[in-house]
Amino acid sequence: GAGVSQSPRYKVAKRGQDVALRCDPISGHVSLFWYQQALGQGPEFLTYFQNEAQLDKSGLPSDRFFAERPEGSVSTLKIQRTQQEDSAVYLCASSARDSSSPLHFGNGTRLTVT
Amino acid sequence: AQSVTQLDSQVPVFEEAPVELRCNYSSSVSVYLFWYVQYPNQGLQLLLKYLSGSTLVKGINGFEAEFNKSQTSFHLRKPSVHISDTAEYFCAVSDGFTGNQFYFGTGTSLTVIP
Repeated sequence: GAGVSQSPRYKVAKRGQDVALRCDPISGHVSLFWYQQALGQGPEFLTYFQNEAQLDKSGLPSDRFFAERPEGSVSTLKIQRTQQEDSAVYLCASSARDSSSPLHFGNGTRLTVT
Repeated sequence: AQSVTQLDSQVPVFEEAPVELRCNYSSSVSVYLFWYVQYPNQGLQLLLKYLSGSTLVKGINGFEAEFNKSQTSFHLRKPSVHISDTAEYFCAVSDGFTGNQFYFGTGTSLTVIP
């Protein structure tokens, strides 16, 4: 596709439910990032993939958060036993190669935990 | 790790007036610098980037930014703003030494007043 696609756009979950957020990066992009953006804040790094390898997951806030990219293209961010503090916009971004390549962002998934 | 400071959380400006949005980053041997714009309910869109070379960088929508290594700054400017420039603006830095991490500032909300 022309850009990064994320689904769903909006997700409402009851506290304790598991959710899965999907990201389709730009075709051929090697690097894929997940960010969490709280209301009125900048994006906070969660995790980074180069192809299928998860090279950095230092930003994942707890072991309830898990991300995968098994074939080096589509990625899924899973949050288990959601809590209210997980409510945020989750942004996916991809880039062509290294840190000199700009990030291309999807429109995000707004997660609301009730 | 890098850090990015956007000193102004909100900037109101009248239509057709000039604007400057400030960004400072923590020092590093070499950095790549970016400005992104975010419209409501959308992802981040690249405005411009500095990788190397000329310190004055021109981007889309009439924006430009100047890299100042001695002051570790990368301020964004536009000589005459339009109503359509109302949005959230984020400064970001990557240095290639931290696993391709991009660090974002907390954002500046630009409001153009008719």
